Amino acid sequence: SQTIHQWPATLVQPVGSPLSLECTVEGTSNPNLYWYRQAAGRGLQLLFYSVGIGQISSEVPQNLSASRPQDRQFILSSKKLLLSDSGFYLCAWTPPGTGRGYEQYFGPGTRLTVT
Amino acid sequence: GENVEQHPSTLSVQEGDSAVIKCTYSDSASNYFPWYKQELGKRPQLIIDIRSNVGEKKDQRIAVTLNKTAKHFSLHITETQPEDSAVYFCAASIGGATNKLIFGTGTLLAVQP
Repeated sequence: SQTIHQWPATLVQPVGSPLSLECTVEGTSNPNLYWYRQAAGRGLQLLFYSVGIGQISSEVPQNLSASRPQDRQFILSSKKLLLSDSGFYLCAWTPPGTGRGYEQYFGPGTRLTVT
Repeated sequence: GENVEQHPSTLSVQEGDSAVIKCTYSDSASNYFPWYKQELGKRPQLIIDIRSNVGEKKDQRIAVTLNKTAKHFSLHITETQPEDSAVYFCAASIGGATNKLIFGTGTLLAVQP
């Protein structure tokens, strides 16, 4: 069966510090991968998605970036965090293939507080 | 751009009553409509979905209906229980090969014992 991992689970970082969040998927190959941010009490904002190694599409201009160095690894980064970067960061994946390509399954999330 | 509107934003029902959450979407090419349940501090969990080739799908106490002509879809929960209390999100696929979803703004459902 497939599982998705995210770490760290929680993070407190000062303004201006760098950020690296990691997401990995097990038990599948060539998944689509997504990064979402959820502000407190709000909905899900798509930040980046990737259909393959090295292929990243950005949805919202911001000071964040994403990379996909391996098939099942997705990384979210920032060089300098802003207060507005605080939130719950969720990684999601979809199975490959045309039959189930839209079903998205979320990881456990990383709760980031920028102080 | 593409948009999904969700109503109501909050819903309070008595245990045993039914709850209905409604969404409308703008992209006529959307063909996949999932619903997610998110408990406080947890990840969203896919609870039911429907594709554009069917009008209704049911799984025990939850059902989803789709009206493609009107671009409406709804979540129905019958015989609500306190453990149904959570935030529910609808979503619609964005047309094309990107396999992206656009989410509604969420409904906070509170089931009063």
